[in-house]
Amino acid sequence: DVKVTQSSRYLVKRTGEKVFLECVQDMDHENMFWYRQDPGLGLRLIYFSYDVKMKEKGDIPEGYSVSREKKERFSLILESASTNQTSMYLCATPRASNQPQHFGDGTRLSIL
Amino acid sequence: GQNIDQPTEMTATEGAIVQINCTYQTSGFNGLFWYQQHAGEAPTFLSYNVLDGLEEKGRFSSFLSRSKGYSYLLLKELQMKDSASYLCAVLNTGGFKTIFGAGTRLFVKA
Repeated sequence: DVKVTQSSRYLVKRTGEKVFLECVQDMDHENMFWYRQDPGLGLRLIYFSYDVKMKEKGDIPEGYSVSREKKERFSLILESASTNQTSMYLCATPRASNQPQHFGDGTRLSIL
Repeated sequence: GQNIDQPTEMTATEGAIVQINCTYQTSGFNGLFWYQQHAGEAPTFLSYNVLDGLEEKGRFSSFLSRSKGYSYLLLKELQMKDSASYLCAVLNTGGFKTIFGAGTRLFVKA
């Protein structure tokens, strides 16, 4: 079974802080994704990566950046947190591009 | 534009059958997924359709009509534990991007 581990289940940060969300997968998958999930809006893609050091913008990349230095780890960075970034953040990885996503447990981030 | 529509909420009775519909308009299509998400938990995979027709897996079945841009998830013999959100998601061509609907929250009552 694929294991996708997100570093925190709950996180509270202040406006203007730099925030790091970490995601680690144990299955040597090439593709990794970061989504945010908001009520009524569903999951929206922030960034994805298809290989080490490779990254692509998703649909809502503004205010975020990512880092993929090792295959198993994909980090999401909020450069200067703002209250509208309060959300549930989900990391996911599929075995191949046409395979289902395996999700981490999510990080519920509150920006005060 | 790209759009996936599904009902916001549905209520059904334990033991009954419920059908959750999904319509989509996307620039490309490389398959449709259904996921289940319990409150406070991560989505988990239920089914994948890439060809027209019905895929059956135990109590759950999923149907796809590509020409109509339409899918449904059928849940039979409903149980209380089926109370969850059900997400419809389309995999775009190119293979990397999945577009998710907002989800249908299903309430199963005794």
